[in-house]
Amino acid sequence: EPEVTQTPSHQVTQMGQEVILRCVPISNHLYFYWYRQILGQKVEFLVSFYNNEISEKSEIFDDQFSVERPDGSNFTLKIRSTKLEDSAMYFCASSEKSGGARAEAFFGQGTRLTVV
Amino acid sequence: DAKTTQPPSMDCAEGRAANLPCNHSTISGNEYVYWYRQIHSQGPQYIIHGLKNNETNEMASLIITEDRKSSTLILPHATLRDTAVYYCIVRVATGYSTLTFGKGTMLLVSP
Repeated sequence: EPEVTQTPSHQVTQMGQEVILRCVPISNHLYFYWYRQILGQKVEFLVSFYNNEISEKSEIFDDQFSVERPDGSNFTLKIRSTKLEDSAMYFCASSEKSGGARAEAFFGQGTRLTVV
Repeated sequence: DAKTTQPPSMDCAEGRAANLPCNHSTISGNEYVYWYRQIHSQGPQYIIHGLKNNETNEMASLIITEDRKSSTLILPHATLRDTAVYYCIVRVATGYSTLTFGKGTMLLVSP
């Protein structure tokens, strides 16, 4: 069964450092998403991406965050200068469509980011 | 997107049906009901979604009331591996619509 894969599973970084979280969406999907979940809190939407541009973003997704689809298979989330409060599980997701049928999003297993 | 209300927790005996309710009284005609679950901080897992008709797949059944103001997710024969947080999410059917996760229902399946 096709699945979304994320690497690394766990990343530890020092405050102020840049991190790149990587995702390989399901191959025939066109819509890509990043969500995050701070420990013990809700899953929160960060950004959606379609046709090589951001289609929607939340207030969390400020100038420190960026996304990119550098090739035909990868989808990345970059945090330029990490803060302690960026520590969270980051989930990548993809869907075939954005609405109606076949709009269900499938999630990866996440990257646990720890900022020290 | 319309808000949903779910009980914070439920228990179910292994092998029995688990019926998870969700209230979405302000749902609009163009909004789907989606169900996801999250097993111990793993990525959310898609279960099922529907607009107004009842739906069934290999994981679960979704029963939507005729007025669409509430729904029930049914796991017909719950196993220990079904212990998870279950999220009921209402989502617009068209355009760019993301998933807004609430606190969900923590389902504990016991032997």
